[in-house]
Amino acid sequence: AQSVTQLGSHVSVSEGALVLLRCNYSSSVPPYLFWYVQYPNQGLQLLLKYTSAATLVKGINGFEAEFKKSETSFHLTKPSAHMSDAAEYFCAVGVDSSYKLIFGSGTRLLVRP
Amino acid sequence: EAGVTQFPSHSVIEKGQTVTLRCDPISGHDNLYWYRRVMGKEIKFLLHFVKESKQDESGMPNNRFLAERTGGTYSTLKVQPAELEDSGVYFCASSQESGVVQYFGPGTRLTVT
Repeated sequence: AQSVTQLGSHVSVSEGALVLLRCNYSSSVPPYLFWYVQYPNQGLQLLLKYTSAATLVKGINGFEAEFKKSETSFHLTKPSAHMSDAAEYFCAVGVDSSYKLIFGSGTRLLVRP
Repeated sequence: EAGVTQFPSHSVIEKGQTVTLRCDPISGHDNLYWYRRVMGKEIKFLLHFVKESKQDESGMPNNRFLAERTGGTYSTLKVQPAELEDSGVYFCASSQESGVVQYFGPGTRLTVT
């Protein structure tokens, strides 16, 4: 069965510092992988997706993620954090032909001035 | 183009009452999904419609939950009677016919007291 693990329910970084949010997945078939972000009082917004093309995926707002099959990981990074990046981030795997999503438990990113 | 909309944004009801949540997907999207996030837990899949047909309802918690999608357009999710553990945020998402990417609505926060 597919599953997603996000390490760290809360991550705190200084403005301008590297952002690294970890995601590991378990899937019996090549997965579709996603990162979504939820800003305060808003819905989920797609940051980026991996669909078996390039292993390094670039998303919106300067975020990118690298699919590493050997490590079953899909970590999200951004070179320099901005105050506006403070939000909750969700990693998800798409399951079977319906593409229903299995989510990780979420990581709340705090950006310190 | 309008995104996925959900109504109401918040609902507070007493245990035993009935509540109906509504989701309007992006126009032309055949796939419609319902998810739920209970406080402190991960976002979990409830069910998936393709047009007006239920494709997968494996995530529905019990028979107090009834989802419909009349005419393959908007969808409703009724909880009757509501229990305390039904409290959470209910998300709706939609995608194109063979779409990998799901677009989420802002969610409905349901509080059962």
